[in-house]
Amino acid sequence: QLQLQESGPGLVKPSETLSLTCTVSGGSISSSSYYWGWIRQSPGKGLEWIGNLYYDGTTYYNPSLKSRVTMSVHTSENQFSLRLSSVTAADTAVYYCTRTMVTADYWGQGTLVTVSS
Amino acid sequence: DIVMTQSPDSLALSLGERATINCRSSQSVLYSSNNKNYLGWYQQKPGQPPKLLIYWASTRESGVPDRFSGSGSGTDFTLTISSLQAEDVAVYYCQQYYSSPHSFGQGTKLEIK
Repeated sequence: QLQLQESGPGLVKPSETLSLTCTVSGGSISSSSYYWGWIRQSPGKGLEWIGNLYYDGTTYYNPSLKSRVTMSVHTSENQFSLRLSSVTAADTAVYYCTRTMVTADYWGQGTLVTVSS
Repeated sequence: DIVMTQSPDSLALSLGERATINCRSSQSVLYSSNNKNYLGWYQQKPGQPPKLLIYWASTRESGVPDRFSGSGSGTDFTLTISSLQAEDVAVYYCQQYYSSPHSFGQGTKLEIK
């Protein structure tokens, strides 16, 4: 059974960079059938698609976040990662990593990231 | 960006009743070359991530009970629960994956009356 698990700091200071990793188990991140991605959920903005990436490193970002987002794939560790720079309180949310075949069909349990000094 | 609008925001029904949740997109999500609507439905229970119920507007994800069905095309879509069960209490979201960003509706909270 495929499982995804987010990890990373739960507290980030304003203006710093949020960094999260998603570890995939029960399946290979190098499969050509899927995209991998990130979605976040905050009380104020609901569910927000951050972007997807393919095992070869091809990325697709939400235009509203594109200038601050970097997604990377780490095939040897079966992981992928998210970096979001220059964070503000508006970036406080539960961050989910996902697998996408048609649309996001597997989700991690989510990790709460709070932006605060 | 495509804006997804759901109605109603909340819904309270009795067990066994039919639930209908609507989703409207600000532009068509029907891709003419393959005649597919790039529209999915999710169910989210408290403390859990969203769960995919329906994709391509009407294709049920594996393992989803057949009381859940999706319909519609173009800009107007519906999620129907034919006979409400206690375990269906959740927030339901539609999402378009036709164009970036893949936007979600604001959610519809379904409760038991």
